[in-house]
Amino acid sequence: GQNIDQPTEMTATEGAIVQINCTYQTSGFNGLFWYQQHAGEAPTFLSYNVLDGLEEKGRFSSFLSRSKGYSYLLLKELQMKDSASYLCAVTSGTYKYIFGTGTRLKVLA
Amino acid sequence: DTEVTQTPKHLVMGMTNKKSLKCEQHMGHRAMYWYKQKAKKPPELMFVYSYEKLSINESVPSRFSPECPNSSLLNLHLHALQPEDSALYLCASSQENLRGPTYEQYFGPGTRLTVT
Repeated sequence: GQNIDQPTEMTATEGAIVQINCTYQTSGFNGLFWYQQHAGEAPTFLSYNVLDGLEEKGRFSSFLSRSKGYSYLLLKELQMKDSASYLCAVTSGTYKYIFGTGTRLKVLA
Repeated sequence: DTEVTQTPKHLVMGMTNKKSLKCEQHMGHRAMYWYKQKAKKPPELMFVYSYEKLSINESVPSRFSPECPNSSLLNLHLHALQPEDSALYLCASSQENLRGPTYEQYFGPGTRLTVT
């Protein structure tokens, strides 16, 4: 079966660093994406990992370990506007994007 | 232009109605997707079109009927829906790559559907 797990909710303080984990068990693997989704809005693309290691993009970084079926999204210098849901998605097979359970992040002042 | 547009934004329909959702993109993407998203849940893949041909149908009930009239347009025809079909319906598009890495998806703002 296909299984992608994330913590349901996280809370952090403005200016802090937060790490959102994603573990996956899928029948295939073509890559892993992170999306941000504000309430009532569409998901927007944040990062993509296909090889093991860290990808850095401004305040956001994403890490992948294919042997462990594990990824994390690291958000630095948190801002209030980062309060949103963060979705991990694995592509297993052409066009087959499977989304994880999603993590709702609340940033407090 | 990296925009995916969807109409209508909101739709209320009865269980005997027939309605259609529309999606449009002008990024030259040849893969287009329909997702269903319930509140506080992740998007669930429904259909994928690649080069205007249906590539994936995730065992979606036949009361949902997708159509891809051309490379820029994607429709979802709705008929005899149930109240549990009430959800946010998201359209997305991406570049295609049939044999290699996959590409990020661009999502439209969604249609919030309520079935009464």
